[in-house]
Amino acid sequence: GNSVTQMEGPVTLSEEAFLTINCTYTATGYPSLFWYVQYPGEGLQLLLKATKADDKGSNKGFEATYRKETTSFHLEKGSVQVSDSAVYFCALDTNAGKSTFGDGTTLTVKP
Amino acid sequence: GAGVSQSPSNKVTEKGKDVELRCDPISGHTALYWYRQSLGQGLEFLIYFQGNSAPDKSGLPSDRFSAERTGGSVSTLTIQRTQQEDSAVYLCASSLGVQDRDGYTFGSGTRLTVV
Repeated sequence: GNSVTQMEGPVTLSEEAFLTINCTYTATGYPSLFWYVQYPGEGLQLLLKATKADDKGSNKGFEATYRKETTSFHLEKGSVQVSDSAVYFCALDTNAGKSTFGDGTTLTVKP
Repeated sequence: GAGVSQSPSNKVTEKGKDVELRCDPISGHTALYWYRQSLGQGLEFLIYFQGNSAPDKSGLPSDRFSAERTGGSVSTLTIQRTQQEDSAVYLCASSLGVQDRDGYTFGSGTRLTVV
């Protein structure tokens, strides 16, 4: 079956630090890959996506590249802000009718 | 509507009572999904609908859980004889269709507390 494994949290960084949150996956077929973000007290929001190998998704300064050879989709940001504090979820979709989500990684950015 | 709307936003219920959670998806979205998020945990898939049909009910935790969708729009998740372990945030999401690869739009969730 499909599965997503995320880097365990929590992750605590100082403002302007570099962020990497690792995500690897196992899937049948050719999945689309996603990162969602959940700010405190809110639902999940789609942050970025990539639909095929070597695609790079980007949004709000965050980037992730679909690496088929390593089955990975790591999330990166060059300079985090306090407002980036949230829970980040990696997910995949193989047209099986539902997305499979990782367990989430909590990011706290301190001023 | 402009977004996915869930109601109520919070629900406190006594153990053994039945509850109904409602989800109103984005207009035109034919696929609708229910997930559960327990405290500090990831997302647990419950059920999805394509139109009014539910091809995959494999995630429903027990026969106390049921869901329906009418008119290809609003969905209701019903939990009968609630137990304390049912306490969680219930999230609803929608997408254009199950074949769509653009990701989901989530509602803000219903926080259910069983006391």
